[in-house]
Amino acid sequence: GENVEQHPSTLSVQEGDSAVIKCTYSDSASNYFPWYKQELGKGSQLIIDIRSNVGEKKDQRIAVTLNKTAKHFSLHITETQPEDSAVYFCAASRPGNMLTFGGGTRLMVKP
Amino acid sequence: KAGVTQTPRYLIKTRGQQVTLSCSPISGHRSVSWYQQTPGQGLQFLFEYFSETQRNKGNFPGRFSGRQFSNSRSEMNVSTLELGDSALYLCASSLRWGAEDTQYFGPGTRLTVL
Repeated sequence: GENVEQHPSTLSVQEGDSAVIKCTYSDSASNYFPWYKQELGKGSQLIIDIRSNVGEKKDQRIAVTLNKTAKHFSLHITETQPEDSAVYFCAASRPGNMLTFGGGTRLMVKP
Repeated sequence: KAGVTQTPRYLIKTRGQQVTLSCSPISGHRSVSWYQQTPGQGLQFLFEYFSETQRNKGNFPGRFSGRQFSNSRSEMNVSTLELGDSALYLCASSLRWGAEDTQYFGPGTRLTVL
């Protein structure tokens, strides 16, 4: 089955700096890679996703890159703000299968 | 449009008891998936239902079961509770089954087994 590894497990940055979270996956047939932000009491929210026919996708301060050859994908957050502090999860899936999640990254943005 | 709702939000049970959790998907969504989140194991997939049929199943013992109703609402049941079942149980809904559709998560039910 699919195995997703996520690094780092915790990340502390200064407000305004960039944050990068990396994930690797094992199943070369995986073709969908979402990122979720989890905040206490708010549940998990999809923040961006990418499919295997695309190498990069951007949405304002958030971008995701995908390297299918190396089987890794990354989340980039620029100009971080205190409200970006949360736990971020990456995930991967192949068609018709369910999501396999990484272990999560606790991001702390210091004002 | 209302989001995914889960009830109850918090639950305390003792070992050996059983529990039923409920999930109401976003209106129009026909797929409901369930996940277990623990500090040690992270987020793990339990099962997915679409049109009242289980489409995918994770690697959990038979004590974990679920069902979906004709209005797409779903319930999951855990029998003979063990201490290790203490976790945050999340459900997610999407338009179609399989993970290619965006999944929208509810706030979760936090189950504590004493």
